[in-house]
Amino acid sequence: DSGVTQTPKHLITATGQRVTLRCSPRSGDLSVYWYQQSLDQGLQFLIQYYNGEERAKGNILERFSAQQFPDLHSELNLSSLELGDSALYFCASSAPGEGVQETQYFGPGTRLLVL
Amino acid sequence: GQNIDQPTEMTATEGAIVQINCTYQTSGFNGLFWYQQHAGEAPTFLSYNVLDGLEEKGRFSSFLSRSKGYSYLLLKELQMKDSASYLCAPRGGGNKLTFGTGTQLKVEL
Repeated sequence: DSGVTQTPKHLITATGQRVTLRCSPRSGDLSVYWYQQSLDQGLQFLIQYYNGEERAKGNILERFSAQQFPDLHSELNLSSLELGDSALYFCASSAPGEGVQETQYFGPGTRLLVL
Repeated sequence: GQNIDQPTEMTATEGAIVQINCTYQTSGFNGLFWYQQHAGEAPTFLSYNVLDGLEEKGRFSSFLSRSKGYSYLLLKELQMKDSASYLCAPRGGGNKLTFGTGTQLKVEL
């Protein structure tokens, strides 16, 4: 158990719908990262937040957005869902610092199925 | 940009040693992580290298050569539970990790 929690564990929805994935980082961690992992694909970095501010952006679609709240939990919003959005979505968190101190620890993921 | 190359699959025997290689091209290199991921589960942190050389951690060791853009993960005394995907992830600026598609390791009796 990494200490990172994600809800829900599974989500089934239809094309065109909107969903919200939630992540709570480890105690003391200020950074939250979101990744998408499609079947047989590598982990694709979507976005990073640090202490409530957007820090870095990866291959995140315009239909997707995220935020980090004052209590440091984060939400990833996926809208106008398409079949291709079906994937495992992971959240990771890291502590402030340098080197190995910034190791990213991953939550259990949310498995999204778009029908 | 970032480019990572790992073998797609490897098979080894229980009790043996296996070396998983990773070559990478990255801008702003700031260390390299190895993670283990069982199917459908979260990646778990195995090792971190930022300087050239070997880092040993129990049955797992990781090596880095920054000038060659090369790293390997060495797994000793293989166990069945080591069957998993192993992900090489160089870090660029801002703690941004780039993951390859990973090496699927199968440990057989």
